Amino acid sequence: DQQVKQNSPSLSVQEGRISILNCDYTNSMFDYFLWYKKYPAEGPTFLISISSIKDKNEDGRFTVFLNKSAKHLSLHIVPSQPGDSAVYFCAASALWGGATNKLIFGTGTLLAVQP
Amino acid sequence: NAGVTQTPKFQVLKTGQSMTLQCAQDMNHNSMYWYRQDPGMGLRLIYYSASEGTTDKGEVPNGYNVSRLNKREFSLRLESAAPSQTSVYFCASKPGTYTEAFFGQGTRLTVV
Repeated sequence: DQQVKQNSPSLSVQEGRISILNCDYTNSMFDYFLWYKKYPAEGPTFLISISSIKDKNEDGRFTVFLNKSAKHLSLHIVPSQPGDSAVYFCAASALWGGATNKLIFGTGTLLAVQP
Repeated sequence: NAGVTQTPKFQVLKTGQSMTLQCAQDMNHNSMYWYRQDPGMGLRLIYYSASEGTTDKGEVPNGYNVSRLNKREFSLRLESAAPSQTSVYFCASKPGTYTEAFFGQGTRLTVV
């Protein structure tokens, strides 16, 4: 059972416009959320994170929004650039069994930014 | 500063063969993870280790074993490889609970 879901396998936007990537989770134990970017043949790289005590975190062109009641988070990229074209993964973290730090990823969304 | 290093980068195995994927980090991180990436499935957690001497099953542990040899190294072993284990494997480490994980470059494994 997928605990972290990204229901859009792909997204295409025009350069300069906003990209909105969505993620849903099922387990209320998750209390820390992250977004990663992945280029082909490379490992994922960290983009931005948010704690469950916040509802928004911003870093330059990237903003993550968290809606705990809906168990939903989103990543906004403004303005989108061709170099942003990559696969984006959301991830959720929780202390499992009181100690062990489990980190679960979603299925990914392929973002294509058209010049 | 190497970060997270995985070896080998590529491997082809025959069904039934065994092999160990190596992962080492030089950032003094406590937690380490093994994931596999398959088309349409995202990154799925195989095993993880909160600290030296402890390991826990993730989402897809069947067919794999792990060893946290010391704080730096976390290996993943396939005892009898199957074609369903054809995938790209990523190792990651993170220093603490509310921090990001750092990934290696991946190992592309093909089982024929």
